[in-house]
Amino acid sequence: DTAVSQTPKYLVTQMGNDKSIKCEQNLGHDTMYWYKQDSKKFLKIMFSYNNKELIINETVPNRFSPKSPDKAHLNLHINSLELGDSAVYFCASSLGLVFNEQFFGPGTRLTVL
Amino acid sequence: GDSVTQMEGPVTLSEEAFLTINCTYTATGYPSLFWYVQYPGEGLQLLLKATKADDKGSNKGFEATYRKETTSFHLEKGSVQVSDSAVYFCALGSGTNAGKSTFGDGTTLTVKP
Repeated sequence: DTAVSQTPKYLVTQMGNDKSIKCEQNLGHDTMYWYKQDSKKFLKIMFSYNNKELIINETVPNRFSPKSPDKAHLNLHINSLELGDSAVYFCASSLGLVFNEQFFGPGTRLTVL
Repeated sequence: GDSVTQMEGPVTLSEEAFLTINCTYTATGYPSLFWYVQYPGEGLQLLLKATKADDKGSNKGFEATYRKETTSFHLEKGSVQVSDSAVYFCALGSGTNAGKSTFGDGTTLTVKP
C-alpha cells in the first residue's frame, strides 16, 4: 500500500488553465504539506495543514488554493497557470506538527506551456 | 529564523570512496535534525534522524551526529556505491516553529563505477 499518493504523476497544460493535484495519505497522520521543487532541486514549503486547519501559508500567490476535505486528503488547486508554475509538486505528511519526520509522495511534474 | 546550510554540489565520487556532506544549522530551541534522500524520479524519503544533542542517526551505512556545539549534522558514509547516487537534503524540525521543517538546498551525489 502506498503511504502518500498523488495524482496525476504528470500534468501538461496551457498557460491560463486551471488544474488540480490530489494527495491522499493512509498513515493516519494529522499534518499534511505541499512543497514545490524547482529545476535546481530547491524545495520550498507552500502550505501546511493540521487536522484540516491551515497552519502555514508561505508567500504563495493567491492562484494556489489548498483544500483539505479530511485529515487524509490535501488537494492543491491552481488557477490561471503561468510558465513559472512549472515544477515538481510534492505532498507530504507527518504524525504531528512538532519535530516529526515527513513522508513524501512521489511528486507531480507540472509543465505549463 | 531557522536555516540550514548544506555543502554545495554536485559531488562526484568513485565507488568505495568516503563521503562527507556538510550541514550546519541555525535554530531557536532544540530542533530535530534529518537527512532525506531523493533518488531520481522519486519523492524524498527519510535516511536518518537525530532528536537531541550527541545523538547519532544511522541507516544503510550512512551516519550523522547531532553536534550542538558546532550546530552541525554532517552526513558520512565509509564506502559509497553507484546506487547511492541521489540528491541529499539536510533538514531541521523546530518545536518553536510548529508545522514547518526547514530544508537545505540539497546536494547532488554521483557515484561512478
